[in-house]
Amino acid sequence: NAGVTQTPKFQVLKTGQSMTLQCAQDMNHNSMYWYRQDPGMGLRLIYYSASEGTTDKGEVPNGYNVSRLNKREFSLRLESAAPSQTSVYFCASSEADGRARYEQYFGPGTRLTVT
Amino acid sequence: DQQVKQNSPSLSVQEGRISILNCDYTNSMFDYFLWYKKYPAEGPTFLISISSIKDKNEDGRFTVFLNKSAKHLSLHIVPSQPGDSAVYFCAASATGTASKLTFGTGTRLQVTL
Repeated sequence: NAGVTQTPKFQVLKTGQSMTLQCAQDMNHNSMYWYRQDPGMGLRLIYYSASEGTTDKGEVPNGYNVSRLNKREFSLRLESAAPSQTSVYFCASSEADGRARYEQYFGPGTRLTVT
Repeated sequence: DQQVKQNSPSLSVQEGRISILNCDYTNSMFDYFLWYKKYPAEGPTFLISISSIKDKNEDGRFTVFLNKSAKHLSLHIVPSQPGDSAVYFCAASATGTASKLTFGTGTRLQVTL
């Protein structure tokens, strides 16, 4: 049982390049989330998927797109990377069904640098 | 607008003593609160949570207190151990929001020998 896995662990991009961050969970969770963590800012929600087939914007969605490929996988895409997207990206999942709240389980993170 | 605030960026406590980490929130719709612990180069891990219908929840050395009228919660660690040295994030959620979490900026706890 690996929990939440993320690939890659590290990535360096040039401004304007695109890439996709991959996330998978093996806990059969319904909901999945993408966050970014910047110094002094805590974790901020980029996008989330409450259930398979649905996605919604979080607090800082600009410059990103997501795909909930199936129940296990939730990817985050940067179409044209900018230096402001230099950050550590975390994927998380939870059992949340909208009526009760459960803790979110986080992956190890992807450290992205855009030059 | 920071809806969840952790006003102390860092805290240093001696081993064996109590660590108290504080968190304030402004959104009165928040009704579920969580604490996460984060080591460098790892993802946050869930520590303890509390629903707004309670004012205290205890799990081993960790206790979370909630004061709804003051919109304040605190995490107590007793006794503190060197392995507790990490960044602690407070997070909050509201009913009907698909369990979205709003995080504070974190408090770095250093437990010294």
